[in-house]
Amino acid sequence: QKEVEQNSGPLSVPEGAIASLNCTYSDRGSQSFFWYRQYSGKSPELIMFIYSNGDKEDGRFTAQLNKASQYVSLLIRDSQPSDSATYLCAVIDEGGNQFYFGTGTSLTVIP
Amino acid sequence: DGGITQSPKYLFRKEGQNVTLSCEQNLNHDAMYWYRQDPGQGLRLIYYSQIVNDFQKGDIAEGYSVSREKKESFPLTVTSAQKNPTAFYLCASSLGLVSSYEQYFGPGTRLTVT
Repeated sequence: QKEVEQNSGPLSVPEGAIASLNCTYSDRGSQSFFWYRQYSGKSPELIMFIYSNGDKEDGRFTAQLNKASQYVSLLIRDSQPSDSATYLCAVIDEGGNQFYFGTGTSLTVIP
Repeated sequence: DGGITQSPKYLFRKEGQNVTLSCEQNLNHDAMYWYRQDPGQGLRLIYYSQIVNDFQKGDIAEGYSVSREKKESFPLTVTSAQKNPTAFYLCASSLGLVSSYEQYFGPGTRLTVT
């Protein structure tokens, strides 16, 4: 069974701080990695994807991928109360047929 | 507006009844997916389809059935054989079943069976 692990949290950060969310995966052959944001009672919304080792920045969000360590992270700079949500990590398996999702990390940004 | 629609938003059924959840997309995506989400758990794949008239079982297909008669539509039937049907059901689509294609989700249907 391919696994995607995330700390469930809750993670609390003050407004304006950097929030760091982490994810590890078991399938060494995985090629594509995604971060989704899910507000309570709503469906997941794609916020970042990354395919290559290193960092990828998009506005206040930075995704970091380290395939050797099987680790992907999401940094949120200048955190805002509107960032309070559950963040899901998703990985596509080596065959490219199926997404595997972590259980999500709950983030609360305190004003 | 391009997107994925699911209906209804909330659905209540009695135990022993089959129920069909609707999913439509106008993104011209080839691949479509059904997931269920339970509290404290990640999304679990029920079925997926890459092209019309073809679909594959996911990790938890037992008690569910699907059809893909049109590219835009991928309805899910929750049968009476599904032992714990109460959950949040999410439909998603992507350009194709290629490893680089991201998935986009519909708003979801919350099913309660009593």
